[in-house]
Amino acid sequence: SSELTQDPAVSVALGQTVRITCQGDSLRSFYASWYQQKPGQAPVVVIYDKDNRPSGIPDRFSGSRSGDTASLTITGAQAEDEADYYCSSRETSGNVVFGGGTKLTVL
Amino acid sequence: QLQLQESGPGLVKPSETLSLTCTVSGGSISTSAYYWGWIRQPPGKGLEWIGNVYYSGSTYYNPFLKSRVTMSVNTSKNQFSLKLTSVTAADTAVYYCARLNLEQDWYFDLWGRGTLVTVSS
Repeated sequence: SSELTQDPAVSVALGQTVRITCQGDSLRSFYASWYQQKPGQAPVVVIYDKDNRPSGIPDRFSGSRSGDTASLTITGAQAEDEADYYCSSRETSGNVVFGGGTKLTVL
Repeated sequence: QLQLQESGPGLVKPSETLSLTCTVSGGSISTSAYYWGWIRQPPGKGLEWIGNVYYSGSTYYNPFLKSRVTMSVNTSKNQFSLKLTSVTAADTAVYYCARLNLEQDWYFDLWGRGTLVTVSS
């Protein structure tokens, strides 16, 4: 089973752009999905596959990948974006793996 | 609109078996487009994938939990279940059931609200 590594915490000024990264071997083969989790709530997917957003997710959220690193970019961060963000991917084995999570603070 | 709801005891004694059920409403569990999964989150910590089950009964388990985990599906009740044996305090967590979308690369597109299970005597 592989691992996905995320920075524990990131901060961004209101209205600025922030990138949250996720590194792991599985990302060379599979796209990451990204989940937003606010306190006391279940996670919600914000990005999946190459750079797809579910209905209702603002277009300020975008995804990308380079080599073994996936990134979630929030362009023009809002106060309501303050949350924990988790990356995830499938593995060749059929298993699923989550990153350790990044706590985003909007200043 | 499809919804998932976890149910089961909120308190389990050490060394006993944790049993949870996820009821799927508003849609059928018997679809080829999805797996059905369990994810847990210890208090103050990150998400941990436990495993996935297909409507046919095929399963994938987290290698670190595999020896203690059993997942199953009851298509007649539109439910899937989790059993985790020999629990310890380290198994205390919020347990989520979720739908795993198999379109292209997999992702969990729908989650239950989660249920807190505490392991304590």
